[in-house]
Amino acid sequence: AQTVTQSQPEMSVQEAETVTLSCTYDTSESDYYLFWYKQPPSRQMILVIRQEAYKQQNATENRFSVNFQKAAKSFSLKISDSQLGDAAMYFCAYSGGSNYKLTFGKGTLLTVNP
Amino acid sequence: DAMVIQNPRYQVTQFGKPVTLSCSQTLNHNVMYWYQQKSSQAPKLLFHYYDKDFNNEADTPDNFQSRRPNTSFCFLDIRSPGLGDAAMYLCATSRDLRSQETQYFGPGTRLLVL
Repeated sequence: AQTVTQSQPEMSVQEAETVTLSCTYDTSESDYYLFWYKQPPSRQMILVIRQEAYKQQNATENRFSVNFQKAAKSFSLKISDSQLGDAAMYFCAYSGGSNYKLTFGKGTLLTVNP
Repeated sequence: DAMVIQNPRYQVTQFGKPVTLSCSQTLNHNVMYWYQQKSSQAPKLLFHYYDKDFNNEADTPDNFQSRRPNTSFCFLDIRSPGLGDAAMYLCATSRDLRSQETQYFGPGTRLLVL
């Protein structure tokens, strides 16, 4: 069974600094997709970034980028120039093969300090 | 803007009194999901509809049911809410049932059981 592990329950960062959130996963599939979702205090889950496993290039979305290490099964999220609005719970998620269901990690609560 | 809408945002019910939560979408997606999310936890999938086909997760209690009268709307019915059912309920949609499809979430309904 696929598993997703986020080893950092909480992280904090100073405004304008860079922070990296860790995620590792376990799968035997060759075709899979990885996602980072953000859930701010208002609680709406928002897609931050996604990565297709077959793509070697790391996905980027403005200040958000990933470091996808397929052999190590690692999928970390880097947030550059952190802003107060980045404060949220961040969930790493996986779907793959014939399994369309999302497997979530337990989440990392990010605090941004002014 | 195309989106996933949930009503109400907050719902208070009494122990044992049936309650219905609503979700609608303007994305014209084939799949609609219901998740339960308890505090500081990842969302837990309850069930989903692919068009009119209903798929219940094995560990979803019988107390939870769902209806999808048309493509746009999906309802979550809790027949006899218990104190343990107090949670955030998230609706999500995806275009299709494939692992590469991104799920888009609504803002959630927070249910309080008195």
